[in-house]
Amino acid sequence: RKEVEQDPGPFNVPEGATVAFNCTYSNSASQSFFWYRQDCRKEPKLLMSVYSSGNEDGRFTAQLNRASQYISLLIRDSKLSDSATYLCVVNMGNNFNKFYFGSGTKLNVKP
Amino acid sequence: DGGITQSPKYLFRKEGQNVTLSCEQNLNHDAMYWYRQDPGQGLRLIYYSQIVNDFQKGDIAEGYSVSREKKESFPLTVTSAQKNPTAFYLCASSRGLAIYQETQYFGPGTRLLVL
Repeated sequence: RKEVEQDPGPFNVPEGATVAFNCTYSNSASQSFFWYRQDCRKEPKLLMSVYSSGNEDGRFTAQLNRASQYISLLIRDSKLSDSATYLCVVNMGNNFNKFYFGSGTKLNVKP
Repeated sequence: DGGITQSPKYLFRKEGQNVTLSCEQNLNHDAMYWYRQDPGQGLRLIYYSQIVNDFQKGDIAEGYSVSREKKESFPLTVTSAQKNPTAFYLCASSRGLAIYQETQYFGPGTRLLVL
């Protein structure tokens, strides 16, 4: 079983739509969680960290469910510029930060 | 500006040739990482280093080698033993401390192609 699993998509949505992605992780000892955005042929860039209480940054909301071992990303009022692949990242922590990446969920926002 | 640089952007390798990918950071980060990304797949860890003169194998280290002689630099050599080297190679760094919400920052990547 992979450490981090995501639905690869693609999610094809119209502009203005609300879309949500989930990501599951296998290690219950995982300590911190992130969403990264990756544009085609570019490096991943940090979108937001995911806190236990959930957190919001503009149109983006991230939530963590430790009991069920998943994190989610909600995008409201989708823009064409949101089209990208969204990577779920889990940090196992302990005595060194080793990061585990999901394969990514591709989002296509259409006019 | 602080950041991570990788060079070259594109690299072509001939059969049996070793090639070296450069990664430099001026973020004063202790930890550095090399990942490989194949089309439609996630990032896989090749090597990582917590501190100067120390590095550890990741999940797919066979056919690769690294060095960490300076804090700022973590070059990756793709040896002739790596039979399928065509991929997008990403270097990253982090402060390296096991602290809550420690994040990782990436360089722009090197795309390696085999001739």
